[in-house]
Amino acid sequence: ETGVTQTPRHLVMGMTNKKSLKCEQHLGHNAMYWYKQSAKKPLELMFVYNFKEQTENNSVPSRFSPECPNSSHLFLHLHTLQPEDSALYLCASSQDTAGLSYEQYFGPGTRLTVT
Amino acid sequence: QKEVEQDPGPLSVPEGAIVSLNCTYSNSAFQYFMWYRQYSRKGPELLMYTYSSGNKEDGRFTAQVDKSSKYISLFIRDSQPSDSATYLCAMSDRGSTLGRLYFGRGTQLTVWP
Repeated sequence: ETGVTQTPRHLVMGMTNKKSLKCEQHLGHNAMYWYKQSAKKPLELMFVYNFKEQTENNSVPSRFSPECPNSSHLFLHLHTLQPEDSALYLCASSQDTAGLSYEQYFGPGTRLTVT
Repeated sequence: QKEVEQDPGPLSVPEGAIVSLNCTYSNSAFQYFMWYRQYSRKGPELLMYTYSSGNKEDGRFTAQVDKSSKYISLFIRDSQPSDSATYLCAMSDRGSTLGRLYFGRGTQLTVWP
């Protein structure tokens, strides 16, 4: 595997379900990000981790819970979601969160549909 | 007022045309300017970046930054059907230590043969 991988690629869940999104980066980076991409809206930064420490939580509802066990893996735990949470969830990584942080490498995303 | 404004299009051009994609912004602290390309069912990939004002050329792509007007552009010469994608502009402020990028909505481009 190379670059940034995400699983699953597609997910349909009911509002009462609990599911997790997984991201893995094979680039030796130290920073990882979760973004939400909705149609016709800019990418929304959700969480930032640098060296496994969360450095930003962009006012994300508590029904989204991130976990970063090491610099290569990032999870997004989902529970009691709302239909408006349906979107493409993108994971990204960068060398760190300063300097070269503009060079972020994205995974292919998980297309989430909440029914 | 949104941080970054970008016309979502869609933009449709014939093969070989010169394409101009633009973004405006309001935050004068932005110093790093990027263009990402996103193909259907894929994540964005960094296409070009520039620091501060000026031009940068890479093959058929030219990025321009006019900080006095808070305006950035991406030009694609001799456009190809393989250039069909959504183009996202992104910006970062000087000294940012949080990795925050401010994205535009993206412009959907179709180049038809």
